[in-house]
Amino acid sequence: KAGVTQTPRYLIKTRGQQVTLSCSPISGHRSVSWYQQTPGQGLQFLFEYFSETQRNKGNFPGRFSGRQFSNSRSEMNVSTLELGDSALYLCASSLTGPGGEQYFGPGTRLTVT
Amino acid sequence: QQQVKQSPQSLIVQKGGISIINCAYENTAFDYFPWYQQFPGKGPALLIAIRPDVSEKKEGRFTISFNKSAKQFSLHIMDSQPGDSATYFCAALNTGNQFYFGTGTSLTVIP
Repeated sequence: KAGVTQTPRYLIKTRGQQVTLSCSPISGHRSVSWYQQTPGQGLQFLFEYFSETQRNKGNFPGRFSGRQFSNSRSEMNVSTLELGDSALYLCASSLTGPGGEQYFGPGTRLTVT
Repeated sequence: QQQVKQSPQSLIVQKGGISIINCAYENTAFDYFPWYQQFPGKGPALLIAIRPDVSEKKEGRFTISFNKSAKQFSLHIMDSQPGDSATYFCAALNTGNQFYFGTGTSLTVIP
């Protein structure tokens, strides 16, 4: 059974640009959650999608958005990038949601210069 | 505001020893408390989890102790091995399905 895959693995962008990250969950999983991981703030919940609907959202500005497709694949978009957006972005999939067992992908390392 | 406080930040243990990592939370709406293990270059992996209706859960060498009245929970790693060297995160999920993570503990097990 294939695990959670995230693309790209590494990304370098310039301040002010926008970026789109992709996450393919484990087959059969309908819930995808996104997290930001930084040395200073640790792991922070961004949002969760289930069957193409955003069910929960963390405390991030509107520049961070996401969507989920009918095949459960999810994308996360960050517009008007800031230096502070440099982080490891992780997605996690589960059958029912964060309260069930979550499987994390390896993450996308975003560097904003 | 850090809703889940984790300590210590780093921990060095001899092989065969017991590693203990502690977490405290403030929000009584939390109802699911997992621990994750993360190796460099990898995403976190669920290690063990507990719900507040039990005070202890054991899986192999890993045990969660949960104290609902004190709003604290801890991870005990018995017979620690060098392969356990990783970063450990506690987390808490509230009834609104939002996760809050501790700041992580870097564990080093010395052979």
